[in-house]
This record gives sequence, structure tokens and C-alpha cells, in this order.
Amino acid sequence: QSVLTQPPSVSAAPGQRVTISCSGSSSNIGNTYVSWYQQFPGTAPKLLIYENNKRPSGIPDRFSGSKSGTSATLGITGLQTGDEADYYCGIWDTRLSAYVFGTGTKVIVL
Amino acid sequence: EVQVVESGGGLVQPGGSLRLSCAASGFTFSIYWVTWVRQAPGKGLEWVASIKQDGSEIFYVDSVKGRFTISRDNAKNSLYLQMNSLRAEDTAVYYCASPSHMTLHAFDIWGQGTLVTVSS
Repeated sequence: QSVLTQPPSVSAAPGQRVTISCSGSSSNIGNTYVSWYQQFPGTAPKLLIYENNKRPSGIPDRFSGSKSGTSATLGITGLQTGDEADYYCGIWDTRLSAYVFGTGTKVIVL
Repeated sequence: EVQVVESGGGLVQPGGSLRLSCAASGFTFSIYWVTWVRQAPGKGLEWVASIKQDGSEIFYVDSVKGRFTISRDNAKNSLYLQMNSLRAEDTAVYYCASPSHMTLHAFDIWGQGTLVTVSS
């Protein structure tokens, strides 16, 4: 049972915007950096966002991250069929001395 | 090319042992904490264990404590996971993951994974 809660799925039509929430607590998200990972079926995860809102080179600016209080949000604008994947937030929880992944969210492009 | 490549997975009976390896290349492996992450079939990502640059600090998820041992050999740019007393619930794809020069706070480098199946 992860300490980071995400919605099981979000959906929207191509071109629209979706947001994925990652809800934690003041003892985890509240005092550390949040990362986001994208995973296609049968492949390894890929880093999408690091240090709350930074994008690795090669990641389109359609993807954005933010953090406020005990929650973080991944936004995807201009949704494309190629964005259909699972998305996970992740943090290092200093209280647990463990890295924690969120429960994961499947993005569905209608 | 920056990469990590896992090996050593396979089919093992409950109670058995397996040793996974991860070979790193193209980056300075020795300066990063490195990590094993697993994913059971149809499930989400689960962090398994992490080891400090010199091996002096190690952390495990509770479910593998006392059964799994993470280790590294910086001279060989390699990470290992010794898995003993394996259970059916350990069945998963195991990934080796590392930060990079870009950030120390996320896993930027991932291998393709190696499948461990625990079954009689």
C-alpha cells in the first residue's frame, strides 16, 4: 500500500489536457522532491519530470510538473495517442528511509 | 552510451535463491546511489533496495529484509541483488536504476529489466 495516492486512470480526447495528482503527506511530499515516470507496456520506466518541475532534455514541454503542499501534479497538454501509458510519481521518503512510488495512473486517449 | 543491463533472472522454486546482476557503462557508476526496483505482473512499480556509493548505507523495503542482499563492485561497475528464500510474491521484473549527472533525486537511468519467476 503506497503512501502516495494517484487516480487509477484519467482520460481525454486528443489535443485536450489531463492532470494526474499525487497525494501524500507533510512527512513525505511536503519536504522532498517529486519525480514523475512514464511507462509503456512491456518497457522500462522513463524519467519525465524531476525535482518537482524540471524536464530532462528530450521531454516535450507538453509535460509539466508542480507541487503544492502535500500534493504534486503532472500535466499533459495537447494530448496525443502516443501519450497512452502508465504514469508514476516517486519520492524519497526520509521518514521511511525508502523510495516510494505512487499507485500509478493510466492515461487513456479517447 | 549510458546504460545499465540486468541479468540473472529466471525460474526458481519457492524457497530457492537467485542472484541478479546489473552492469553499468557510459557513466561514472561509482558516484551514485543505485537501486533495484521491481514490478509484479500487472502491478505498479515497487522500490526494493538502494545502496550508497561506497556500500556503507543500504536500505530495503520491509518485505525483503533478511532475505535479499544488495551489493556493488565499483571496480566492475556492477550492482547485485542476492535473493534468498524466494516467495511467489517476489515474481516480478527487476530493474536496475540510477540517478545521473542531471539530478541525484530521481532515477534517470533504467535497464530493460530481468524477469524473476518463483513457482513450483
